[in-house]
Amino acid sequence: QVQLVQSGAEVKKAGASVKVSCKASGYTFTGYFMHWVRQAPGQGLEWMTWINPNSGDRNHAQNFQGRVTMTRDTSISTVYMELSRLRSDDTAIYYCARAMAGRPYDAFDIWGQGTMVTVSS
Amino acid sequence: QSALTQPASVSGSPGQSITISCTGTSSDVGGYNYVSWYQKHPGKAPKLMIYDVSNRPSGVSNRFSGSKSGNTASLTISGLQAEDEADYYCSSYTSSSTLDWVFGGGTKLTVL
Repeated sequence: QVQLVQSGAEVKKAGASVKVSCKASGYTFTGYFMHWVRQAPGQGLEWMTWINPNSGDRNHAQNFQGRVTMTRDTSISTVYMELSRLRSDDTAIYYCARAMAGRPYDAFDIWGQGTMVTVSS
Repeated sequence: QSALTQPASVSGSPGQSITISCTGTSSDVGGYNYVSWYQKHPGKAPKLMIYDVSNRPSGVSNRFSGSKSGNTASLTISGLQAEDEADYYCSSYTSSSTLDWVFGGGTKLTVL
């Protein structure tokens, strides 16, 4: 079945970087945009970044300018989200989410299970 | 502060109907028919309930419906059931120069 499986929980020091992976299966990896969305404790959802796995084109929210990098490895159907210069307010659950058709503005129909990233000072 | 405005909470009794509003601007909700709604239970990943304003993905109950008027989108749940109790988030594609997608702050639905 179609699914996204993310890497496990991370604990990082402030100022460090974290790299979270998201492995896709059950569909043509290069046919669907992939996004990352996070949810801080007690807060709502926040969109971060997307990538076109086919072309490698990507974009991100200006809030994360210079700190977020999204990459992909088509040979293993996996996308990665790296967030650098971590701060305590980056503590959150990070989700990868597939756009439901081949367009960046499509809704997110398949979600990973989430990866908890905890940033300690 | 979230870009889209939702009520913090709504409630209803089993069998009743409720509506959750989601107010944005002409740069997001009002400018595109790319509004979606997500259901989120604690400890679970979000689940897509409505896309492109009013379309239901396969497998989502027809008790869930969506609409839009101007800069405000709405999610209606009819025939409330206990399992509908969850947080609901609206989202919209946006022409903002600072991000591509915006979410609402979320609405906690309580089934009394």
